[in-house]
Amino acid sequence: KAGVTQTPRYLIKTRGQQVTLSCSPISGHRSVSWYQQTPGQGLQFLFEYFSETQRNKGNFPGRFSGRQFSNSRSEMNVSTLELGDSALYLCASSLEGTSGSLTLGELFFGEGSRLTVL
Amino acid sequence: LAKTTQPISMDSYEGQEVNITCSHNNIATNDYITWYQQFPSQGPRFIIQGYKTKVTNEVASLFIPADRKSSTLSLPRVSLSDTAVYYCLVGDGSSASKIIFGSGTRLSIRP
Repeated sequence: KAGVTQTPRYLIKTRGQQVTLSCSPISGHRSVSWYQQTPGQGLQFLFEYFSETQRNKGNFPGRFSGRQFSNSRSEMNVSTLELGDSALYLCASSLEGTSGSLTLGELFFGEGSRLTVL
Repeated sequence: LAKTTQPISMDSYEGQEVNITCSHNNIATNDYITWYQQFPSQGPRFIIQGYKTKVTNEVASLFIPADRKSSTLSLPRVSLSDTAVYYCLVGDGSSASKIIFGSGTRLSIRP
């Protein structure tokens, strides 16, 4: 079973540009969540998508957006890049828990996209 | 959302047993406790999950006391490859958005 695939793995942009990152979840997983990881702030939740709908959003400015397609693949976009956006962007997929289940669904992470903003 | 507190770093030697304790005083009745491992420039990887008492799998054990206000991840006979950051999380299964990663514990294993 293929894991979570993120592309591109590495990219360099300059301030003011925009970037689009892609995430292909594990087959059958309907939930895709995105995280930003920096040395100073650690792993921070960006947003989660389920069945093409954004279920929740973290505390990030509107420059950060995302979407999910009917095949569960997801993209996130960052517009007007700033130096502080340099980070490892991680995508995770998970199964949707059954109704009434108390089990915390396991998150399966990709290897991330490392963005450097110059 | 339950907040977790872990030691920032720990050191140990190959072949030793390592115990990392996590404090979660505000854990809710529906919350499970989950631990992830992360190597540099990789995404976190699920290690173990539990609700109460003890859970053991092929890589670790998780000890949870009756009050569930803390938990201890136990790694038996560590090796150099266990050098990583370990995250303790608490939450229920209703949404991935409710999973909050704390600062984690940076474990360094020496020969």
